[in-house]
This record gives sequence, C-alpha cells and structure tokens, in this order.
Amino acid sequence: AQRVTQPEKLLSVFKGAPVELKCNYSYSGSPELFWYVQYSRQRLQLLLRHISRESIKGFTADLNKGETSFHLKKPFAQEEDSAMYYCALLIYNQGGKLIFGQGTELSVKP
Amino acid sequence: DVKVTQSSRYLVKRTGEKVFLECVQDMDHENMFWYRQDPGLGLRLIYFSYDVKMKEKGDIPEGYSVSREKKERFSLILESASTNQTSMYLCASSTTRAGPVNTQYFGPGTRLTVL
Repeated sequence: AQRVTQPEKLLSVFKGAPVELKCNYSYSGSPELFWYVQYSRQRLQLLLRHISRESIKGFTADLNKGETSFHLKKPFAQEEDSAMYYCALLIYNQGGKLIFGQGTELSVKP
Repeated sequence: DVKVTQSSRYLVKRTGEKVFLECVQDMDHENMFWYRQDPGLGLRLIYFSYDVKMKEKGDIPEGYSVSREKKERFSLILESASTNQTSMYLCASSTTRAGPVNTQYFGPGTRLTVL
C-alpha cells in the first residue's frame, strides 16, 4: 500500500536546538519525496524535494531507501521555522498525484 | 510565479445546499487537484484532473463532484452539503512537462462551514 506517515503531530523545541521531523513512506516503486510547509496564514508551499538535493532555509532531507524514510533536519531552529510541515510522496503514472502525511506542527520557542 | 486562486476564502452554507468552489491557475498546468485539510488527518485528495474534461477520483470522493471545462479552471461541487464537509479546501496545480515537474502549487484555501 502507498502511504506516508509522520509520527509526530507536534514537535516543540527551543530556538537554536536541532530539529528533526520524521517521515516514513511505503511505496513499491522508486520514490520521489517532497516536504511542504505552511506558515501561519499563508498558503501551502514547497520547501524541498529529494531529487534536488538542496538546502532550503537551512533545512535538508535525505532519502534513506533502506529505512524508507525522508526525515527533515535543521541544525539550529529559528522562531520563524514555526509552521506546519507535510511530507509527500509522488505516485507515478497518476497525473502527478501526491500522497501527504498527516503533518507535523513545529513550534520553536524563544 | 505560478498563481492559483480560489473564489472564496470563507464560505458558510446550510445543510442540503449545493456548493461550488472554484479554482483558477494561470500557468497552463495540465494537472489540477482538490484536497481537504483537516487537523490530524493532513491533506486528503478528493479529485484530480490531468486534462480538460478528464477527472479521477482521489481518496475521499464521496459527496463531491468536479468539473473541468477549461484548462485553467477546476471546480469542486458539493451536491448536498453536510456538516461533515465542514473543512478547509485546497486547490493545487502542477505540470509534468517542464520546469519543476510535479511540484504542486497551492491556492490560499477556502474555509467552508456547513451549518
């Protein structure tokens, strides 16, 4: 079955602490994964995608096929990182369909 | 910049009413999607369309229908609104042709309340 799991509904850290938002997936094909972010009162937007191998706003995510994971990491959290984060899996051959996880709310405290 | 717009930010309807949610994108994307967003459940796909007049059911299509008569416009229809359809509705579009393929661009959302 195709599935994306984000085990934490809420993650609360202090400013300057490391952050790791967990994402696990289940997919029989070659996975293409994304992280989307929604800041307060803003629209949902792409943060990063694994094929780009990029760092955006200090965040990185590495695809681990052995552990079927795509965790989002940042070494030093900032208050402006507080947002809702969604992990998503592309389903090929279905018109660009994405399956989203349940989302993790990140709260960075001063 | 891709622009996806939705006809209303907030909508209040009564049980049994027919509700139309409109979405327009200006980037000539062939794929368009409708989701509902609920706390603890994430985004759930209602319907999507990969071409004009084409539609595919998503994970939760019951109680909804869609229409795509023009490439830039994708409408979500609640034939007879019910209270369990109170939610945030998000529209998105993407392309598989060029550029950042398969990146979905989202509208601002419509918060629908059914009384």
